[in-house]
Amino acid sequence: DGGITQSPKYLFRKEGQNVTLSCEQNLNHDAMYWYRQDPGQGLRLIYYSQIVNDFQKGDIAEGYSVSREKKESFPLTVTSAQKNPTAFYLCASNGGSGYNEQFFGPGTRLTVL
Amino acid sequence: AQSVSQHNHHVILSEAASLELGCNYSYGGTVNLFWYVQYPGQHLQLLLKYFSGDPLVKGIKGFEAEFIKSKFSFNLRKPSVQWSDTAEYFCAVNGGYNKLIFGAGTRLAVHP
Repeated sequence: DGGITQSPKYLFRKEGQNVTLSCEQNLNHDAMYWYRQDPGQGLRLIYYSQIVNDFQKGDIAEGYSVSREKKESFPLTVTSAQKNPTAFYLCASNGGSGYNEQFFGPGTRLTVL
Repeated sequence: AQSVSQHNHHVILSEAASLELGCNYSYGGTVNLFWYVQYPGQHLQLLLKYFSGDPLVKGIKGFEAEFIKSKFSFNLRKPSVQWSDTAEYFCAVNGGYNKLIFGAGTRLAVHP
């Protein structure tokens, strides 16, 4: 089946540790996105990538980093510099048709203890 | 700045009641508008979308939305809700460079 996978579903880390969230897609989409979802705040864009080896900061990039070495993969690292990392993280992709419709993965819930 | 405003954060309805969720946007260019739904424990999925043409858009599961350009609105409607419509609903507008700008979401609870 075509789609977006995120792993793990739940992740627990100690404060001060970096953690990397996985996002893989087999939709052959060029563009990929990372969002953070917090109650009452909707989805906020962290980073996005329009093409392999290129990515841009979104609205809340501080404390996060990404890489885009392969078209299928767009991992997100939550660093110790992120002041409030506990959240639900969603990955999405877009086929670049010009209509901006995005397809979402199931999400990873990160809890920093 | 581009933004999306969803006026109702929590809505509680009884089954068979009519639903209207408000969405207003601020964007200076040509708009693409979306409603996404997140059922409990499931992926965020597209409910309906507007790109151009008929401003009344029909989506899945009996939902529809009307684009009113003069009011910068894209309200979601359903004439008769079911318990299975309990979910969180997000309005979004294109923000350029294939980005989407999302509203804060509306949590809908439908009681049998």
